[in-house]
Amino acid sequence: TQLLEQSPQFLSIQEGENLTVYCNSSSVFSSLQWYRQEPGEGPVLLVTVVTGGEVKKLKRLTFQFGDARKDSSLHITAAQPGDTGLYLCAGTNYGQNFVFGPGTRLSVLP
Amino acid sequence: EAQVTQNPRYLITVTGKKLTVTCSQNMNHEYMSWYRQDPGLGLRQIYYSMNVEVTDKGDVPEGYKVSRKEKRNFPLILESPSPNQTSLYFCASSSHSGANGYTFGSGTRLTVV
Repeated sequence: TQLLEQSPQFLSIQEGENLTVYCNSSSVFSSLQWYRQEPGEGPVLLVTVVTGGEVKKLKRLTFQFGDARKDSSLHITAAQPGDTGLYLCAGTNYGQNFVFGPGTRLSVLP
Repeated sequence: EAQVTQNPRYLITVTGKKLTVTCSQNMNHEYMSWYRQDPGLGLRQIYYSMNVEVTDKGDVPEGYKVSRKEKRNFPLILESPSPNQTSLYFCASSSHSGANGYTFGSGTRLTVV
């Protein structure tokens, strides 16, 4: 069974600070995705990474896929209260049994 | 607007009373899936469907049924709900077997008393 771990589990920071959250596995994935979920709503896709070493940027968010395609990181620059939410990573191997990590709950205080 | 629509958003029912949660997508996606989300356990896949008339078990299928008679609809059926099925349920759809990302519905919060 493929498992994804995320760290930290909880993170509370002040507006303007930078942060990095991590998604790790002992398994290789063909693609990995990051989602953000707000309370009472469904997760919303932020990015998909498919190539080892790939870096994608989405405004103040930078996503990196590990060279071995087993891990990923999400870095947020100058966090804002609107970044508050649950960040989920998810991996799949060519569409087989999609796996989600437990999430990192981020709180950005004004 | 491209979306996944779940109904109802909230449901309180009693043990043993059959219920169906509907899910419909308007993006012509082949792949659809049901998840439940519980505190401390994250999102766990219940059932998924690769296409019409093709369904398969996920990680936690016990106590649930699904059907995929049409491409757009993927209902979740609880034949005899029990309190341990109290949870937040999400339907999701994607093209290419999920590899390009899911579109999730807004969720159904189910309470079984």
